[in-house]
Amino acid sequence: AQTVTQSQPEMSVQEAETVTLSCTYDTSESDYYLFWYKQPPSRQMILVIRQEAYKQQNATENRFSVNFQKAAKSFSLKISDSQLGDAAMYFCAYRILPSDTASKLTFGTGTRLQVML
Amino acid sequence: DAGVTQSPTHLIKTRGQQVTLRCSPKSGHDTVSWYQQALGQGPQFIFQYYEEEERQRGNFPDRFSGHQFPNYSSELNVNALLLGDSALYLCASSYEYSYEQYFGPGTRLTVT
Repeated sequence: AQTVTQSQPEMSVQEAETVTLSCTYDTSESDYYLFWYKQPPSRQMILVIRQEAYKQQNATENRFSVNFQKAAKSFSLKISDSQLGDAAMYFCAYRILPSDTASKLTFGTGTRLQVML
Repeated sequence: DAGVTQSPTHLIKTRGQQVTLRCSPKSGHDTVSWYQQALGQGPQFIFQYYEEEERQRGNFPDRFSGHQFPNYSSELNVNALLLGDSALYLCASSYEYSYEQYFGPGTRLTVT
């Protein structure tokens, strides 16, 4: 079974600084997707960034980037120039490639990010 | 374009009762997944519906059942409620083989 582990229950960062959230996962599959979702107090889960396992290049979305280490099964999220609006729960998630019978997301336990003035 | 909507927003039920939660997918999406998120935890997959059939199911008892309608909207039913069923229930919609699932704001269920 696939598992996703986030070992940092809480993190804090100063506004405009950079922070890295960690995620490791376990799978026997070779093709899969990895995601970082953000869940603000409004509860709506928002996709921040995704990474396809077959791509060696790390994904980047504006201030958000990932460090994907496939052999180590590690997938960290770096937030640059942190803003107050980045404060939220961040979840790392995994899924295998969509198919007829398997396309669920497996989530980690989350990291609460606080942004300090 | 309306995103994923869920109703009700909050719900309080008593142990042993039954509850129905509703989800309308994002326009054009044909697949609906349900997740349970206990306080302080990540979402746990309950099941997924496509073409009105349950396509995949997580480790949840038969007390949890669902339905998908021809317009792709979906219901989650929970029978014989337990205190441990108190959680945020999230609905997510997608195209059948797309990578991204779009989430609704959730229904907060409290069982007393």
